[in-house]
Amino acid sequence: DAKTTQPPSMDCAEGRAANLPCNHSTISGNEYVYWYRQIHSQGPQYIIHGLKNNETNEMASLIITEDRKSSTLILPHATLRDTAVYYCIVRARYSNSGYALNFGKGTSLLVTP
Amino acid sequence: DTEVTQTPKHLVMGMTNKKSLKCEQHMGHRAMYWYKQKAKKPPELMFVYSYEKLSINESVPSRFSPECPNSSLLNLHLHALQPEDSALYLCASSQGEGVIADTQYFGPGTRLTVL
Repeated sequence: DAKTTQPPSMDCAEGRAANLPCNHSTISGNEYVYWYRQIHSQGPQYIIHGLKNNETNEMASLIITEDRKSSTLILPHATLRDTAVYYCIVRARYSNSGYALNFGKGTSLLVTP
Repeated sequence: DTEVTQTPKHLVMGMTNKKSLKCEQHMGHRAMYWYKQKAKKPPELMFVYSYEKLSINESVPSRFSPECPNSSLLNLHLHALQPEDSALYLCASSQGEGVIADTQYFGPGTRLTVL
């Protein structure tokens, strides 16, 4: 199963872009990269996922390098409510077509006023 | 709507009690999951149900007994737990096998304290 490496913590000023990096150098060709976040004591919240191309939705953008060995989650205008632990996950396969999530330690993002 | 509900929000139980955690989703998802999260640790997978059948048991002790009565409902029956089982128990659901980019959606969790 592909593993991910993230910095343990990051700070970001409110209103600025938060760029959260993730390394997944052992990712295989058909594995997706997923991002979730978890605000203190709540359930993880799905943010975005991607395979090869860059992706954008109403919450964030995901930039995946051409070799797919790393990615960056971008929160374009961070707010205090974005303070959370952010998990970059390459899914672990459990059957011919089913997947479970293999959470790493994540990045604790602190957005400051 | 991507809502997964879990009850109760909080549960305190003694080591001899029997209790159950409940999870429900009405998104038509066919895969449902239980995760356990200890304080300051990431969630860890416990069980996976696919089309109402148990497809993964991650070597979880038998004092945890999952049940999937129908495609919308997932229970976790608890019996003779230990204090070290105190944790946040998270339920998730997804469309299930055969979906290329299958996305899991989580409930808010049940905070369990075993005395």
